[in-house]
Amino acid sequence: AQSVTQLDSQVPVFEEAPVELRCNYSSSVSVYLFWYVQYPNQGLQLLLKYLSGSTLVKGINGFEAEFNKSQTSFHLRKPSVHISDTAEYFCAVSVNLGYSTLTFGKGTMLLVSP
Amino acid sequence: GAVVSQHPSWVICKSGTSVKIECRSLDFQATTMFWYRQFPKQSLMLMATSNEGSKATYEQGVEKDKFLINHASLTLSTLTVTSAHPEDSSFYICSASGTSIAKNIQYFGAGTRLSVL
Repeated sequence: AQSVTQLDSQVPVFEEAPVELRCNYSSSVSVYLFWYVQYPNQGLQLLLKYLSGSTLVKGINGFEAEFNKSQTSFHLRKPSVHISDTAEYFCAVSVNLGYSTLTFGKGTMLLVSP
Repeated sequence: GAVVSQHPSWVICKSGTSVKIECRSLDFQATTMFWYRQFPKQSLMLMATSNEGSKATYEQGVEKDKFLINHASLTLSTLTVTSAHPEDSSFYICSASGTSIAKNIQYFGAGTRLSVL
């Protein structure tokens, strides 16, 4: 079985500062990786995904993530955050795209202050 | 990206009544739909997976007679919470995966907050 660890439950940062949200996974087989964002009282929105190819993937809202197979990580980064980026961020993995069951991390709350 | 519509966004009901939540894929065919439950400040817990035209597969510990799932068409799945009780109060989120733009990726609805009095 696979698992996802998001080490930080909360990350406070000032507006316009860079941020990195960490995600590590464990799996005995190849994985596909996703980052989702959840704003208060809303569903999840797909930020970006790694299915294959380039290990550096770019997503919406200026976010990017890098798949590092040797370190089993998929950290999410943004060079300059905005107040509107305040939200819960979930890292997720899947091992079977055809039956795309996701395993989620516990989430990281990004708190951006002025 | 693909759009998944979930309705209602908020529902309040009396204990003992049943509540139906709808999940629709608007611009793709959803061959697989998922239902999650989320407790405050926690991650999503997968309740069940349904493939169009088949019975849903429930995760361990989820009562299939309490949480009835129907996936009768490629664009609609419903979750019915039968004889709801206060402990069923939660945030329920559906997601869908299927053809074209939603191939191999789950797209999520906006969620339904259920409050049982």
